[in-house]
Amino acid sequence: NAGVTQTPKFRILKIGQSMTLQCTQDMNHNYMYWYRQDPGMGLKLIYYSVGAGITDKGEVPNGYNVSRSTTEDFPLRLELAAPSQTSVYFCASGPSGEQYFGPGTRLTVT
Amino acid sequence: GQSLEQPSEVTAVEGAIVQINCTYQTSGFYGLSWYQQHDGGAPTFLSYNALDGLEETGRFSSFLSRSDSYGYLLLQELQMKDSASYFCAYRGKLIFGQGTELSVKP
Repeated sequence: NAGVTQTPKFRILKIGQSMTLQCTQDMNHNYMYWYRQDPGMGLKLIYYSVGAGITDKGEVPNGYNVSRSTTEDFPLRLELAAPSQTSVYFCASGPSGEQYFGPGTRLTVT
Repeated sequence: GQSLEQPSEVTAVEGAIVQINCTYQTSGFYGLSWYQQHDGGAPTFLSYNALDGLEETGRFSSFLSRSDSYGYLLLQELQMKDSASYFCAYRGKLIFGQGTELSVKP
């Protein structure tokens, strides 16, 4: 089992550009999550999904969109990137009390 | 509102026992989880408490008191590799504390 995989590992975006962060899990989990983590801080929930076709907003959803067409994949879309979106993004899957995290995507917006 | 409070830093020596506290404020409660994160890495799940009491997993234990809105993570026989950040997380609203940086000294 690969667990949770994320691509890319690193990315530099210019202000106003868009991109999609990919997340895939092979544990057949219904629940998947996207978090962002700023330096020295905890994780903040962006969006989550309880199953294919069902998504909901977390604490900090503005500037992001998600979709969940399959159990395995949960991509995160950034539209019109802004410097405030510079962060490390983690995808996770599993029951809400026991989540398994991917290795993260380090995103810089300049 | 809903929040979790943890100390920002804790220092201990190798072989010792350390306790990392977490107090929470929430309108409903579904359980408290603990995660470890080494610098630059992904958080990894350590323990989960849905009910009051102690959960033990090897050198790590987690305790919950719902009446006190309080939990803690206990690390025994500390090793240098335990130097990391530790987060408590509230299950219901998927909120994480800001993390406690543990430094283990020789």
